[in-house]
Formats: sequence, C-alpha cells, structure tokens
Amino acid sequence: KNEVEQSPQNLTAQEGEFITINCSYSVGISALHWLQQHPGGGIVSLFMLSSGKKKHGRLIATINIQEKHSSLHITASHPRDSAVYICAVDRGSTLGRLYFGRGTQLTVWP
Amino acid sequence: GAVVSQHPSRVICKSGTSVKIECRSLDFQATTMFWYRQFPKQSLMLMATSNEGSKATYEQGVEKDKFLINHASLTLSTLTVTSAHPEDSSFYICSASRRGATTNEKLFFGSGTQLSVL
Repeated sequence: KNEVEQSPQNLTAQEGEFITINCSYSVGISALHWLQQHPGGGIVSLFMLSSGKKKHGRLIATINIQEKHSSLHITASHPRDSAVYICAVDRGSTLGRLYFGRGTQLTVWP
Repeated sequence: GAVVSQHPSRVICKSGTSVKIECRSLDFQATTMFWYRQFPKQSLMLMATSNEGSKATYEQGVEKDKFLINHASLTLSTLTVTSAHPEDSSFYICSASRRGATTNEKLFFGSGTQLSVL
C-alpha cells in the first residue's frame, strides 16, 4: 500500500468548473506538498502545508492533520491548468525527503 | 525567484556506459539536494539525499555503487548512473530547499532528465 493515496487518478473538466483533488496519507508527516508536473516533466511546488489552509490565486489547499487528508481546489479552471497534480509528504524534519502520490492527470477543455 | 537547473534534459546512451546528470542551484546555496526517479505511469520515488561535503544518504533499495552522488559545492550535486542498463531508463529529477530571509523553507525542482539506455 502506498503511503500517499490520491484521487481521482484522472480528471476531465470543462473550463470554468471547480476542481477538487484529494490526498490521504498514512504516515506521520512534518509537511504536505502539492506539486504540479507539466508534460515535459518539470515540477513546480504549489503549496507546502502543515496545517489549515493556503490560497494562491485560483488555487486553494487545505489539510486536516487529524484525518490525514488534504485537498487541492482549483476555482474557475482553465485549459492552462491541465497538468499532473501530485501530493507529496515530508517524511521527517528535512524538507525534501518525500513520499509521493501517483498524481492526478487533470485535463481542462475550453 | 530561486531556480534549480538540471541538465542534460534528455540523454540516450548505450548499455554499459556511464551517464552524469548535474543539478545546480543558480541563485542560492543548497546544503542539501535530493534525487528522485520516476518510471512511466508510476509515482516519483526518492533515491537519495545529497549532502554538501559528505556522503549521500541512499533510500532502501537504491544501489549506492550504481548511482554515485557527489555534492562537492553548495550549488552543485551530480548523479552518475554507472554501467547503465535498459532497466535504468527513467526520468530523474533533483530538488533543493531554500530558506528565505522572511519566508519558510521552500522546495525547488530541476527540470528533469529523461534517460534512455539502449
């Protein structure tokens, strides 16, 4: 069993729709990351969370430490949001030692 | 913003050769860098933690003699895949953490290297 489980695996949406991607983890963590991976493979860090909620533009990330669950929301989705979104958790005190989820392939159609 | 540069972006090599991948932090010093790999349709996996001036720390199941990591300076870590075999074909990507003056640490990723071993 993977330490980090994401759902859904694939997600298709129409432009403007509200998107939610879920992440559950089974290990103790110091922080949870939401990453965006583009077709070429490059990865951008969207959020790093240890509690509560963070917002950046149309993206919102929440985490519930007690339930070991996090969600990434995209409001007013746009075709340029199409990418793979990856949930990852920090194993310990050193930032970067990550367990990764399998990713969610998001496709937003115009 | 902070940038991590990784190259080459793509390499094709013959079985038995060695391939070196570089990861540089361009505008900050990174005492710790990380190497990951991703097989097709699978999740990223941490291979090793690269520590400046000391030996790398490898994750369970990663052969340290096959994947040589050198972190000789505060801005450069290299991963050398020695005697590469077709099963080493994968996407390799590095990351580095940066602590800002007013912000918490943040993780920056390289652009990745697609290795194909023939």
